[in-house]
Order: sequence, then C-alpha cells, then structure tokens
Amino acid sequence: KAGVTQTPRYLIKTRGQQVTLSCSPISGHRSVSWYQQTPGQGLQFLFEYFSETQRNKGNFPGRFSGRQFSNSRSEMNVSTLELGDSALYLCASSDGQGDTDTQYFGPGTRLTVL
Amino acid sequence: GQNIDQPTEMTATEGAIVQINCTYQTSGFNGLFWYQQHAGEAPTFLSYNVLDGLEEKGRFSSFLSRSKGYSYLLLKELQMKDSASYLCAVWDSNYQLIWGAGTKLIIKP
Repeated sequence: KAGVTQTPRYLIKTRGQQVTLSCSPISGHRSVSWYQQTPGQGLQFLFEYFSETQRNKGNFPGRFSGRQFSNSRSEMNVSTLELGDSALYLCASSDGQGDTDTQYFGPGTRLTVL
Repeated sequence: GQNIDQPTEMTATEGAIVQINCTYQTSGFNGLFWYQQHAGEAPTFLSYNVLDGLEEKGRFSSFLSRSKGYSYLLLKELQMKDSASYLCAVWDSNYQLIWGAGTKLIIKP
C-alpha cells in the first residue's frame, strides 16, 4: 500500500496570505489528523476528520480550518498567515476505529512565513 | 491541564542500552504510543501500550504503569541509526492524542 502523501512539501508565503495544504491518506483509512510541529513544542494537534466530519479539534484559532472529501483526502487551510505559523505541518491517517488505531504520518509540509 | 514530560535530550554510546522516560497527566487514558522521528522526516510508529507491563519488540521494549502515569522506552544494542527523537503520546478519554515534546537521542561511537 502507498503511504500517506502530502503536497506541497515546501511552501514559502508572506504574512497575511492564506495557504492550503493537502493530504492523501493510506488507502482504506478514513481518519485524517493534522498536526503542527515546531522546534521544542512537539506535535500540536489541530483537528481530526473521520468520514468527512470533524471529530476532534485542538486549541488553534479559527484561522486554521480543514475539510475532508468523500475519498478521505483532506485539506487544511490557514488564512491571514502570521510569522508564528512557520512550522512543519504533518498529517496522519488511521482506520479511525478499533482499539489500537495507529496513526501513520506523511512526510509533512514545511511552511515558511516571511 | 494535560501534560506529558520527557527529557529533552539524552546521549548514549553505540552498543549500550538507554531508557527514555515519559510521565503523563491526562484526562483519562486509552493507551500510550511511542514514535521515532529522524531529523527532517515524519514520525514512525514504534509501540503501543494499553495494559501495565512490558512489551518487547526486537531491540526495543516499552513499559507502562498506569497507576504511576509512567512509561519508558528501552533501546538495547544501540546503533548509530537510532539517533533520532523519540515521541511519547497518550490517548485521552476523548481519544485525542496528547504528545510530549520528544526526547532527542544522540548516539556516540
């Protein structure tokens, strides 16, 4: 099976712009979670989508939003970018059910805001 | 609040054994994960513990004590390729994963 893919891998934007990141989960996985990773902060949970519905949400401002399509692909949007949004954005997919529900991560999108 | 503590950095010697600790205070508990993340790469799954005790998987073992809110990852016969960050994550009562900041492990020859 192909792994989790994310596009683009690198992105440079300026303050005030908006950005859309894409994630394609492992075939058959219905859950997609998004994380922000910055040095020293660890992984900060943004939100999780399961079967096109947001199932869980972290403590990020409303500028961060997402959606999931019927084929389980997911997009994350950040509007009005701030310098502090520079980070590695990771998505992880899982089957979304069962006791273990191991998450498998994509390679990430490195966003730089200038 | 929810909190997961791990040492920021550890150093060990090739061929030796190292134990990376993780303590947690979360709203409920539905399991604990360990992930490995090499610099510039995505985290990869190492282990999952939901019951107390030791889970062994080759050179890596993970231990859990739910009553103490404590886990450790034990790496044996260290190799240079084990140099990476090790992330501890806990599933809380809402099945939301709470992540530690990670432990950077440096292996010296």
